[in-house]
Amino acid sequence: EPEVTQTPSHQVTQMGQEVILRCVPISNHLYFYWYRQILGQKVEFLVSFYNNEISEKSEIFDDQFSVERPDGSNFTLKIRSTKLEDSAMYFCASSVLGGLDIQYFGAGTRLSVL
Amino acid sequence: QQQVKQSPQSLIVQKGGISIINCAYENTAFDYFPWYQQFPGKGPALLIAIRPDVSEKKEGRFTISFNKSAKQFSLHIMDSQPGDSATYFCAAEGRDGNKLVFGAGTILRVKS
Repeated sequence: EPEVTQTPSHQVTQMGQEVILRCVPISNHLYFYWYRQILGQKVEFLVSFYNNEISEKSEIFDDQFSVERPDGSNFTLKIRSTKLEDSAMYFCASSVLGGLDIQYFGAGTRLSVL
Repeated sequence: QQQVKQSPQSLIVQKGGISIINCAYENTAFDYFPWYQQFPGKGPALLIAIRPDVSEKKEGRFTISFNKSAKQFSLHIMDSQPGDSATYFCAAEGRDGNKLVFGAGTILRVKS
């Protein structure tokens, strides 16, 4: 069964460093999303992406964050200068159609900022 | 107004019992209400979903009940099994379909 894959599974970084989290969405999907889950808290929307553009972003997704689809298969989330409070599980998701279609989630990348 | 409130935080049910998780929302623009199941170390996986034009949807042992006037919906797991032990999230999505708003999650433990 096709799945969303995320790498790495765990990323440890120093505060102030840049990190790139990588995702390979399901191949025929057109809509891509990033969510995060701080330990013990709920899953929060960060950004949605379609046709090489951001469709919507949350207030969490400030200038320190950016997303990119550098080629036909990868979808990345970059955090320019990490803060301690960026420590969380980051989930990538994708859907075929967007617009109330099922979103399929990857297993996540645990980001630890020291 | 974008929140989805979920209860209880945790739930312990005996094998064979009924697990019930409740969610409430405020935003009447929400048009799609999925439930996700998450096992440790995995991402959330869609379990079952409902649109507000129906009051109930059943898939196997899992049933969503939806009360549009009260802006509440719930997940019922019949004949709960130890393999159902997981975290369950309710969610909602607006008509623009650009993002899911999640509840806080319920940790379900089914005792054998």
